[in-house]
Amino acid sequence: EAGVTQFPSHSVIEKGQTVTLRCDPISGHDNLYWYRRVMGKEIKFLLHFVKESKQDESGMPNNRFLAERTGGTYSTLKVQPAELEDSGVYFCASSQRRDPTDTQYFGPGTRLTVL
Amino acid sequence: AQSVAQPEDQVNVAEGNPLTVKCTYSVSGNPYLFWYVQYPNRGLQFLLKYITGDNLVKGSYGFEAEFNKSQTSFHLKKPSALVSDSALYFCAVRDFSASKIIFGSGTRLSIRP
Repeated sequence: EAGVTQFPSHSVIEKGQTVTLRCDPISGHDNLYWYRRVMGKEIKFLLHFVKESKQDESGMPNNRFLAERTGGTYSTLKVQPAELEDSGVYFCASSQRRDPTDTQYFGPGTRLTVL
Repeated sequence: AQSVAQPEDQVNVAEGNPLTVKCTYSVSGNPYLFWYVQYPNRGLQFLLKYITGDNLVKGSYGFEAEFNKSQTSFHLKKPSALVSDSALYFCAVRDFSASKIIFGSGTRLSIRP
């Protein structure tokens, strides 16, 4: 079974540019999550999709971040315009059930560097 | 509010010795606790979880964790460390809303030959 995949693995952009990150969850997983780890700090939750619907987007830092999951399969996270403080590692995770006991499986992450 | 604390930024252990990575938590309601590991240049990998039942949970790569309700702790352990265990370890608690995972700050485990 293929795991969660993310693209690209690394992205280096200049302040003010736009970047789009992609996540492909494990096949059959309705729940998809985005997290990020900034400047070596804690990994923090951004948002949660159930299929194509946003279930919880309480962690989204501001309106420069836009997440979509059209069709309920893969998801994209767009940062527009990027700022220096957006640099970090963005992780995607998926799980089968919307259940606090269910394991979330993480992808390898996208390392974003904003210059 | 739910939270997780990992009091040690770094743990150094000699190969073959037992290791412990500490974690304490604060939750309202039943705690759903997880350990993840991040190897260099890799993503987060699930190690083990405590949901209910036996306080000693066994996971991948020979790791285990002991849930202690009175001390609100969920320490990660391994009887005999390997150099290949060197990585960044995260303790986490699942939010009661079933959406987010709340992570600790991570502990870097370094196993010397």
